[in-house]
Amino acid sequence: KQEVTQIPAALSVPEGENLVLNCSFTDSAIYNLQWFRQDPGKGLTSLLLIQSSQREQTSGRLNASLDKSSGRSTLYIAASQPGDSATYLCAVREAGGTSYGKLTFGQGTILTVHP
Amino acid sequence: GAGVSQSPSNKVTEKGKDVELRCDPISGHTALYWYRQRLGQGLEFLIYFQGNSAPDKSGLPSDRFSAERTGESVSTLTIQRTQQEDSAVYLCASSLALWNTGELFFGEGSRLTVL
Repeated sequence: KQEVTQIPAALSVPEGENLVLNCSFTDSAIYNLQWFRQDPGKGLTSLLLIQSSQREQTSGRLNASLDKSSGRSTLYIAASQPGDSATYLCAVREAGGTSYGKLTFGQGTILTVHP
Repeated sequence: GAGVSQSPSNKVTEKGKDVELRCDPISGHTALYWYRQRLGQGLEFLIYFQGNSAPDKSGLPSDRFSAERTGESVSTLTIQRTQQEDSAVYLCASSLALWNTGELFFGEGSRLTVL
C-alpha cells in the first residue's frame, strides 16, 4: 500500500526566506506526482505536476524535483511572501496493479510566512 | 464549465437523513475522484471513476456510501442514514486520461454538517 509522508508538518518563516518542503513515498511505481496548495476553507489548487520520467518542474518562484528511485520529492519556494501561507500537499498517482490511477495524498505541510 | 463545480457548497442535515452531493467535472475529463476531508485532517480517498472502467470503490468507508457517474459527466455521491462522523468537506476532482497529462483539478468542495 502506497504511503506518502510530508516533512515538516508545520513551518513558520520570516518573509523573504527560501524554503524546502519534503515529500516521500513508499512505492516508486508512480505515474506522476503533483503538488497542491490549500487555503483555509477552500479546495486544492494545483501548483506543479511532475511526470515519472521528469526530474523537475518550475513555475515562477516554485521548483519541484522528483527522485523516483529514492521515493522523494521536494518543493522549493524562493523569496517567500505572506501570501504563500497555506497548507501544501503532495500526491502521487499510482502506476501499477489494481491501484492504477489512484491518487494518494500526504498529510500536508502548514506554512506560515510572517512579515 | 471552466472548472470543477460542486453542489451544494454547504449542507446541514439531521442524523439519519440521506444526502446527495453533486460534482460536475471539467468537460472532456475522463477521470473523476471523490475525497473526504475531516476538520484538521488530510484527504481520504473514497472512489475513483476512469472512463467506462469499473470504478475503484476501495475507499468507501461503509455501505451507506455510494457514488454514480453518468458516462464521463456528472457524478453523485450519496450518503444514506447520515451519522455525525460523516461531517466533513467532500472534495471532487477530475483529470484528463492518464496518457494525457493526468493533472488533477479540484472543486471547492461540499461541506456537510450532520447534527
